[in-house]
Amino acid sequence: DAKTTQPTSMDCAEGRAANLPCNHSTISGNEYVYWYRQIHSQGPQYIIHGLKNNETNEMASLIITEDRKSSTLILPHATLRDTAVYYCIVIHAGGTSYGKLTFGQGTILTVHP
Amino acid sequence: DAGITQSPRHKVTETGTPVTLRCHQTENHRYMYWYRQDPGHGLRLIHYSYGVKDTDKGEVSDGYSVSRSKTEDFLLTLESATSSQTSVYFCAIRPGQGEETQYFGPGTRLLVL
Repeated sequence: DAKTTQPTSMDCAEGRAANLPCNHSTISGNEYVYWYRQIHSQGPQYIIHGLKNNETNEMASLIITEDRKSSTLILPHATLRDTAVYYCIVIHAGGTSYGKLTFGQGTILTVHP
Repeated sequence: DAGITQSPRHKVTETGTPVTLRCHQTENHRYMYWYRQDPGHGLRLIHYSYGVKDTDKGEVSDGYSVSRSKTEDFLLTLESATSSQTSVYFCAIRPGQGEETQYFGPGTRLLVL
C-alpha cells in the first residue's frame, strides 16, 4: 500500500471549514484513499473514502486531485467535537482477506472556540 | 455505530495470569480484527479472522491467541499476561466482498502489573 504524508498538526476556528491535506504520491490506480479519525480514548472512526472522484457524505467531503497524488478532507463547519487525530490511509481496492490498515502518525486537528 | 462491543472495557491484571478479551458484532460481517495501540506505534494488527474458525496472525501476534467459534464473536487471549501487553486493544469488523471499510469498537484498556 502507498505511503501517505500528513501535517503533524493543524488549527481551525469553530464554525469554519477545516481542510486537511494528505500526500500519497505513490498511489496506484486501484488504491482507495480512506480517512479515519480518532477522538481521544475512543476507537478510530471511519469518515469517508474515494477512488478517483470527489466524495461527500454527512460528515465530510473528500477532494482527490486529478493525478490522485494528493487529497484533502474537508469538514465544512468544524465544531469543538471535531478535535481529533485524522488519518489518511491508502488501501488496495478489492484487497486480500488480510485487509490490514496501516495508520501513520496522522494530523492532530484542534478546533478553537 | 457499527454494532461492535468489546468487553471488558477496562481490566487490571497481574503478570502471568491469563486474560481473554471479547469482541461482539451484530452486523454478521465476515472479517474481524484485533489491533493494539501504544504511544509511538499507532495501531498494530495482532490477529484477524476471515470466517468462523478461520484466523491468521498479524504483525505482533507473539503472546496472543484468538478464537472464532461464531460469526459474531472474536476472542483474544493473552495466555500469560506480561507488562509489555499493557495497551489499548481495538476490535474491528469488515464486510468483505470488495468492501474495505473497517469499523472499530470502543476499545479495551488493559493494565498488566
